[in-house]
This record gives sequence, structure tokens and C-alpha cells, in this order.
Amino acid sequence: EAGVTQFPSHSVIEKGQTVTLRCDPISGHDNLYWYRRVMGKEIKFLLHFVKESKQDESGMPNNRFLAERTGGTYSTLKVQPAELEDSGVYFCASSQLGQGNTEAFFGQGTRLTVV
Amino acid sequence: AQSVTQLGSHVSVSEGALVLLRCNYSSSVPPYLFWYVQYPNQGLQLLLKYTSAATLVKGINGFEAEFKKSETSFHLTKPSAHMSDAAEYFCAVTEGAAGNKLTFGGGTRVLVKP
Repeated sequence: EAGVTQFPSHSVIEKGQTVTLRCDPISGHDNLYWYRRVMGKEIKFLLHFVKESKQDESGMPNNRFLAERTGGTYSTLKVQPAELEDSGVYFCASSQLGQGNTEAFFGQGTRLTVV
Repeated sequence: AQSVTQLGSHVSVSEGALVLLRCNYSSSVPPYLFWYVQYPNQGLQLLLKYTSAATLVKGINGFEAEFKKSETSFHLTKPSAHMSDAAEYFCAVTEGAAGNKLTFGGGTRVLVKP
């Protein structure tokens, strides 16, 4: 069974450009999460989908970030326009519905560099 | 609000020596605690989790962790380090049964010397 897949693995863009990251969760996982790790810092929560609905987007930095999960399958995270401080590794994770002890499965991450 | 503190961003151990990675947490509710590992060029992989059953939790690859409520700690250990244990390790907490959102510590990178 395929794990969580993220595209692209790396992206280098110029400040002011737009970038879209994609996450394909494990089939059947209704929970989908986005996290980000800025260099030298801890991994931080961005948002949580349950199926196609945003359950919690308290970690989204600002309105330059837009996440979608159409049809409750794959998700995209768009940054528009990108700023230098958006550089980091963006992780996607998915899990089955359940309580807080449910294991989240992570993708390999997308390394975003804004120059 | 929850928080997780991992003491030491880098740890160097000799092959065959004890691995000890420290994690302290704060949580206003009984927490669920996790250790994840990230090998080079891979995603995060669950090593083990504490979910209010046994306080000593055994995970994959010979790792184990002990939940100590009085010390608000969940330290990770492995009796004998192997070269393949070189990776970055993350301690994380969720808000117990109420939530799935993970709050991570800063990570500890382990270097294993031959």
C-alpha cells in the first residue's frame, strides 16, 4: 500500500512567485494535516482537514497560504506570493479517524526555498 | 497550551553505547506522547507511543520510552546504539483524547561513532 506522497520533493522559487504543494494521503484516511519546519526550528502544525472540511487552521501563518482538499482526497497548499520566510520543509500527514492516539503517517516532505 | 522540550539538539554516541534522548512536556490534560524518527531523505516514522496504558512503552528497532507523570518526562532509550540509528528524533504530544494535532519538540540529531 502506498504511503503519504508529496510533490514536489524540492522547489526553489523567487520571492513573489506562487508555489503549490501537493499531498496524497493514504487511501481511506480522513484526517490530513500540514506541518512546516523552518530551518533550526521545531515542526509546527499548520492545519487539519477531516475529509474535505477544515477542522483546524489555527497554525496557518497568514492569508498568503491557502489549503484545499477537494473531494476529501488529495490536498494542495498554495503560497501566493511567496516570501523569504516561507522557506522550510512542509510535511503532510494522514491518519484514520479516531482519538488522539491514532498514528499519523508522514510524507517525505517538500523542501521549499524562496530566494 | 502544550509544549515539548527536547534537551540537546545533537547527541553523539559510540556504537554499542546507551542512547538516551530526553523529552519533557507540559499539557493541561492527560497527554498522548509519541517519538518519531526521521532517517536521511525520508519522512517521519513512528517509533513508539504512550496512550495511558503501560508506562514503559516498547517501540521498533529496540527503542523504548518511559512515561513519568511526576517528572512530566518521556525519555527515549536504546541499550546499544547501532550505526543505523543515526537519524533525527522528535518527541511529540497531542491533547489526549480530544485532539490529533501534534506538538513537536525541536528534535535531536543522533550521530553514531564507530
